[in-house]
Amino acid sequence: DSGVTQTPKHLITATGQRVTLRCSPRSGDLSVYWYQQSLDQGLQFLIQYYNGEERAKGNILERFSAQQFPDLHSELNLSSLELGDSALYFCASSDSTGTPYEQYFGPGTRLTVT
Amino acid sequence: QKEVEQDPGPLSVPEGAIVSLNCTYSNSAFQYFMWYRQYSRKGPELLMYTYSSGNKEDGRFTAQVDKSSKYISLFIRDSQPSDSATYLCAMSGRRGSQGNLIFGKGTKLSVKP
Repeated sequence: DSGVTQTPKHLITATGQRVTLRCSPRSGDLSVYWYQQSLDQGLQFLIQYYNGEERAKGNILERFSAQQFPDLHSELNLSSLELGDSALYFCASSDSTGTPYEQYFGPGTRLTVT
Repeated sequence: QKEVEQDPGPLSVPEGAIVSLNCTYSNSAFQYFMWYRQYSRKGPELLMYTYSSGNKEDGRFTAQVDKSSKYISLFIRDSQPSDSATYLCAMSGRRGSQGNLIFGKGTKLSVKP
């Protein structure tokens, strides 16, 4: 168990809808990263938050947004969902001085868009 | 050309075999090289990491980085059925709070008893 929690485990929704995925980092970790894993693209970095502020952006669509709250948990919001958004979404956390390899991944949220 | 290339397999070997997994990359700025193991329906877990070039050994696992060839490898000795998983290479050029990882697509390994 990495200490990173994600809810929900599974999410099934229809095209055009909006969903929110939640991540609680390990105790004391200030950075949260969001990744998307699909069969086509593999595991891709979406966005990073550090202590409440956006720190880095990857291949995140404009329909997607994220935030990190004062208690350090993070939410990833996906809107106007398309079939191609079906994927596993992982968050990872690291502490403020962590080297890149010290990212601990949560169990993921499996999103199915029908 | 993708930044990180990894043969997706699948790779099937008998128990006890030596397994070789590889990735190539194009970005010479990468300094940190990681191998993650991902079991079905689970999150990736860090197996090994290497900074810059060289070899690193941890039990049955050996990681090698050849920066001149932009090529990294993971060797698994005396493979076990419990090693059956998808192995992902990952790389980063940045330390600290901007260390987002660039992953290969993963190689699915099956070790048969």
